[in-house]
Amino acid sequence: GAGVSQSPSNKVTEKGKDVELRCDPISGHTALYWYRQSLGQGLEFLIYFQGNSAPDKSGLPSDRFSAERTGGSVSTLTIQRTQQEDSAVYLCASSLEQGGYEQFFGPGTRLTVL
Amino acid sequence: AQSVTQLDSHVSVSEGTPVLLRCNYSSSYSPSLFWYVQHPNKGLQLLLKYTSAATLVKGINGFEAEFKKSETSFHLTKPSAHMSDAAEYFCVVSAGGSTGNQFYFGTGTSLTVIP
Repeated sequence: GAGVSQSPSNKVTEKGKDVELRCDPISGHTALYWYRQSLGQGLEFLIYFQGNSAPDKSGLPSDRFSAERTGGSVSTLTIQRTQQEDSAVYLCASSLEQGGYEQFFGPGTRLTVL
Repeated sequence: AQSVTQLDSHVSVSEGTPVLLRCNYSSSYSPSLFWYVQHPNKGLQLLLKYTSAATLVKGINGFEAEFKKSETSFHLTKPSAHMSDAAEYFCVVSAGGSTGNQFYFGTGTSLTVIP
C-alpha cells in the first residue's frame, strides 16, 4: 500500500516569503507528526495531531509556524515570513494511534531559504 | 521528562566485525523505545522497538537491542557489519504521561563500515 507522501520534495524560497508543505498520511492512521531535521542534527518535534483532538503545538519554534489537518487526513505545515534559519528537511510521520506505535515517515521536504 | 542520549556521534567498524551503537534514555514513565535508520537520501525506517514485552528485541537486517532498566540503556548491536549498514541511526523514546504523544529523538550516530 501507499506510504506517507510529502510535497514538494524540494522548495527554494526567498527570505520573507510564506511556504506551505503538504503531508498525506497512510490511510487509517489517526496520528500525524511534523518534525524538522537540520543538517547534522536529530529530529526536532514540531506538532502532533491525534484524531479530532486539539493538536499538540508545543514544539513549534515561533508563531510564524502553524499547521492544520483537514478531515483527519492531509496536513499542511505553513511557515510565514521565512528566515534563513528555517532551512531544513521537514519530515511528516503517521501512526495508527498515539504513544508507542511505530511512526511511518515520509521522504521529507527540503526547504532552502535564500 | 523524557530524553535520549546517543553516546557516539560517529562509529566506524570493519566489515564483518560487530556493531555497537549506544543509547541511554531518561523517562518518568515506562517508556517505549525505538531504533530508526536513515540511509543517505532515504526516509527513516524502523529497525526495532521495545514496548514492555521481552527485553531483548530483534529487528530487521540482523540488528537487535536489549532494554536494561537498571542501566537506562537500549544499545543497538549486530554481530557482523555489512557494507549496506552504513547509515545514520537514531534512538527514540516515547513515554506516557502528558507527553506520551511525543517521540524524542537522539542526535544520531553515523555508522561507517570499512571494507
